[in-house]
Amino acid sequence: EADIYQTPRYLVIGTGKKITLECSQTMGHDKMYWYQQDPGMELHLIHYSYGVNSTEKGDLSSESTVSRIRTEHFPLTLESARPSHTSQYLCASSKQNTEAFFGQGTRLTVV
Amino acid sequence: DQQVKQNSPSLSVQEGRISILNCDYTNSMFDYFLWYKKYPAEGPTFLISISSIKDKNEDGRFTVFLNKSAKHLSLHIVPSQPGDSAVYFCAARSGYALNFGKGTSLLVTP
Repeated sequence: EADIYQTPRYLVIGTGKKITLECSQTMGHDKMYWYQQDPGMELHLIHYSYGVNSTEKGDLSSESTVSRIRTEHFPLTLESARPSHTSQYLCASSKQNTEAFFGQGTRLTVV
Repeated sequence: DQQVKQNSPSLSVQEGRISILNCDYTNSMFDYFLWYKKYPAEGPTFLISISSIKDKNEDGRFTVFLNKSAKHLSLHIVPSQPGDSAVYFCAARSGYALNFGKGTSLLVTP
């Protein structure tokens, strides 16, 4: 069983608020990812990291930012939430180029 | 442009029968393919994978077949069980990240 955790599971927040979605893994994986998924659609990569102090933007443009100060921690921040940010956010990690293990996701609703 | 396609949004199968989920891809640089299972409001769970150097991989009730010339892979579940009802995502790797299809919703009826 993979050990990757996301908090909160659900978040309803007002427009303009700053939010941080937490993601932690205890597997010592170097690679971590953030995906965004809307119902009935594919998962889109928005950020990834190869290791500490390494962050890159993914294929889908996102107004969010990420940081990787510690191997196990990969938080995602939205400085000013908007209704268009409403989505499910999925964090994942992998050991080299093998399967990625996902957290349970955060369902974000911006009202 | 979507590089991984799952053209069947849904599939219904009777318990005990075989479920076959299909996936097509366009990028010949993909070297590793995976299937994930996802329940609503949960993260995807890894099921089974296959390297591009193989054409078949089996794990219990799950078998993945890869046809590189056709750029097609499929997941077979035998026998299907009601607990298999979920959305199944096909994914392919090239370089740093996974490219996902839109998923196929499988319903296994008793």
